[in-house]
Amino acid sequence: AQSVAQPEDQVNVAEGNPLTVKCTYSVSGNPYLFWYVQYPNRGLQFLLKYITGDNLVKGSYGFEAEFNKSQTSFHLKKPSALVSDSALYFCAVRDMGNNLFFGTGTRLTVIP
Amino acid sequence: DAGVTQSPTHLIKTRGQQVTLRCSPKSGHDTVSWYQQALGQGPQFIFQYYEEEERQRGNFPDRFSGHQFPNYSSELNVNALLLGDSALYLCASSSTGTGSLYGYTFGSGTRLTVV
Repeated sequence: AQSVAQPEDQVNVAEGNPLTVKCTYSVSGNPYLFWYVQYPNRGLQFLLKYITGDNLVKGSYGFEAEFNKSQTSFHLKKPSALVSDSALYFCAVRDMGNNLFFGTGTRLTVIP
Repeated sequence: DAGVTQSPTHLIKTRGQQVTLRCSPKSGHDTVSWYQQALGQGPQFIFQYYEEEERQRGNFPDRFSGHQFPNYSSELNVNALLLGDSALYLCASSSTGTGSLYGYTFGSGTRLTVV
């Protein structure tokens, strides 16, 4: 069975500082991993994905994620946080049936 | 190019009633998945429709049913509503075989409140 864990419910970071949102996964076979962002009362917006290839994946809005197979992690990162990055972030893994299973989410707050 | 469209955006129903939510997938997509997102939680997979058939189902009771039409649009029906069914219902579309490659496109959701 597949699952993802987001160990931090809340992450606070000062504007301009680097940010990291953590995600670990458990999956049979090769992992297909995703990050989505959700703004209040909105659906999910795709940020980036890891299917295969380079361990460092670059995505939308300056975000990137590092795939680490030995640590079964897929942490989301950004070199310099913006106040507008404040939102709810979800890590997800695809199952054999091509569906997504999400973590519980991490609320990112960027402090001006 | 329209993304995923869901209607209505908000809905209030009484316990025991039935509700129908609608979803139009992104142009070029033929697969629709439905998710339930309770307040403060991550989205939970309900079921997926492809070629007008339910292909996969998550851990949801039979009160949750769906349909997909020839134009790939989809409906989610919930019978005998419970207070616990109050949630944001999200529709996601993808193209068969490429959903993993290009991600899934989500709609903005329908906020269902059961009173």
